[in-house]
Amino acid sequence: DADVTQTPRNRITKTGKRIMLECSQTKGHDRMYWYRQDPGLGLRLIYYSFDVKDINKGEISDGYSVSRQAQAKFSLSLESAIPNQTALYFCATSDTPWWGRIIANTGELFFGEGSRLTVL
Amino acid sequence: GQQVMQIPQYQHVQEGEDFTTYCNSSTTLSNIQWYKQRPGGHPVFLIQLVKSGEVKKQKRLTFQFGEAKKNSSLHITATQTTDVGTYFCAGPKTGTYKYIFGTGTRLKVLA
Repeated sequence: DADVTQTPRNRITKTGKRIMLECSQTKGHDRMYWYRQDPGLGLRLIYYSFDVKDINKGEISDGYSVSRQAQAKFSLSLESAIPNQTALYFCATSDTPWWGRIIANTGELFFGEGSRLTVL
Repeated sequence: GQQVMQIPQYQHVQEGEDFTTYCNSSTTLSNIQWYKQRPGGHPVFLIQLVKSGEVKKQKRLTFQFGEAKKNSSLHITATQTTDVGTYFCAGPKTGTYKYIFGTGTRLKVLA
């Protein structure tokens, strides 16, 4: 079984619909992230969370919201999907190295398999 | 804002040729990570570099972190078909824990 699981893996929806992408992890990591991947643009950070009570905006948070229901679960919502939100979405987790709180750093990122979203 | 650019965007090589991708940041990085994403897959961590001028090797892969900590490179010696994929660098946005990914270099190896 995968350590970082995303559901659904594929979703086609229509403009204006509400969509939720879910992520769960069994790695016991505190930190969780949502990234979006578009061809030629690399991975862009949408939101990240360092523990259940901590939610932070990333580079491109407009049009998205998140919920950290538990240490192991981090969901991404599109309240009213639009076509330019068509992309491949990745959830990731990381541990916190002991020195990561002194200098800005995180351990390696462990990615889920991805959720491909198409908005028509 | 802070940007992390990678060149080239694409590279096609004959199997056995060497390959290098370069990562350049507009600001100094405290550290840099490298990831590989196979076609249809998800990014997988390769390595992290922390020290100025650091060089690390993993079999045929050599990673360097620039003296000014604003650039990095990944060099693959004698490429194989298993090296196919997109290679990303990633570094923390200055003063934050946000990891900014480079635009990636897609490598295709021709047998």
